[in-house]
Amino acid sequence: DARVTQTPRHKVTEMGQEVTMRCQPILGHNTVFWYRQTMMQGLELLAYFRNRAPLDDSGMPKDRFSAEMPDATLATLKIQPSEPRDSAVYFCASGSSSSHEQYFGPGTRLTVT
Amino acid sequence: GEDVEQSLFLSVREGDSSVINCTYTDSSSTYLYWYKQEPGAGLQLLTYIFSNMDMKQDQRLTVLLNKKDKHLSLRIADTQTGDSAIYFCAESMNSNYQLIWGAGTKLIIKP
Repeated sequence: DARVTQTPRHKVTEMGQEVTMRCQPILGHNTVFWYRQTMMQGLELLAYFRNRAPLDDSGMPKDRFSAEMPDATLATLKIQPSEPRDSAVYFCASGSSSSHEQYFGPGTRLTVT
Repeated sequence: GEDVEQSLFLSVREGDSSVINCTYTDSSSTYLYWYKQEPGAGLQLLTYIFSNMDMKQDQRLTVLLNKKDKHLSLRIADTQTGDSAIYFCAESMNSNYQLIWGAGTKLIIKP
């Protein structure tokens, strides 16, 4: 059955290193969302793409975070340089602009030491 | 501004009904959603209700919407251990596919 996939599922890295998280949206979906989930802040929207174009990335720290969609089957979220406060679970979700539902991936658990 | 509020925890006995509540502030919301997150997993859409409805039932789930009070509830009948999860309430507007999320309610099942 169709699912959103995310890689890696877990990532442990040292402060200052670059981190790249990948997401494959469900085939045919044209909206992609990146979320960050922490105990303290809950679920935060980082970026939102429609038809591969970023429509809203106001939730993302611009100095170190970047989000792209090189093609319709791949969305990436990069952190450079990473900091301990970036430790969180990062979720990708996809949807269709003809529907209002979002389908979540399993998440990438990032730990920055 | 837009805001969605939920209690952080709810504890119920197995077999009882669970009622998870949510309040929202944006009266122009078109859809209201309930998502479920099991430990270590992503969020999964459970059910949603269109703003011109006041009730929706789907097997053990009943969603009630009070537009006047901007109150949404999710009732789970015959709560089972598999219902242990965090339940998120969310709202969206027709012209905007972004969702405004509540903080989530952790449902704890007592044997």
